[in-house]
Amino acid sequence: AQSVAQPEDQVKVAEGNPLTVKCTYSVSGNPYLFWYVQYPNRGLQFLLKYITGDNLVKGSYGFEAEFNKSQTSFHLKKPSALVSDSALYFCAVRVITGANNLFFGTGTRLTVIP
Amino acid sequence: DAGVTQSPTHLIKTRGQQVTLRCSPKSGHDTVSWYQQALGQGPQFIFQYYEEEERQRGNFPDRFSGHQFPNYSSELNVNALLLGDSALYLCASRTKGRGFEAFFGQGTRLTVV
Repeated sequence: AQSVAQPEDQVKVAEGNPLTVKCTYSVSGNPYLFWYVQYPNRGLQFLLKYITGDNLVKGSYGFEAEFNKSQTSFHLKKPSALVSDSALYFCAVRVITGANNLFFGTGTRLTVIP
Repeated sequence: DAGVTQSPTHLIKTRGQQVTLRCSPKSGHDTVSWYQQALGQGPQFIFQYYEEEERQRGNFPDRFSGHQFPNYSSELNVNALLLGDSALYLCASRTKGRGFEAFFGQGTRLTVV
């Protein structure tokens, strides 16, 4: 069985400061990991993914994520936060059997304070 | 590229009624999945369609059914609506293959009263 944990319901950072949104996972076999962002009353927008290769993955809007196999983590990071980054962020793992659907965490609300 | 489009954007139904939600996948995508996102929760997988067949189903009752058409578009049907079915219903499309990311529509907000 697979699981995804986002231990922080909310993260607040000041504009211009670095941000980190945490995600840990549990999955059988090699993980396929994803980050999505959701703005109010909108669907999910793909940010980045880790399939294989370099542990540091770069994605959209200046976001990056670091895959750490030993800690089973896939934390989302950005060097300098913008107010427009304020949104709901979801970490997801791809189920490796059947439909290969996404299994999502419960989400972390990021607030960037001007 | 229009991306994934869903209709309608909002819907209000009465308990016991039936509802149909529609999804057009992103151009070039052949696999469509439906997710339910309750308020304050992450999306939960309902089912996936590929080659006009339901390939996998999540932990949802048979009241939830779907269809995929030859042009890859899809419908989600929910019968005998319950208050607890109120949620944002998201359609996601992708190319078949584990490494490909899913692209999501803006969702249909269903309210059951």
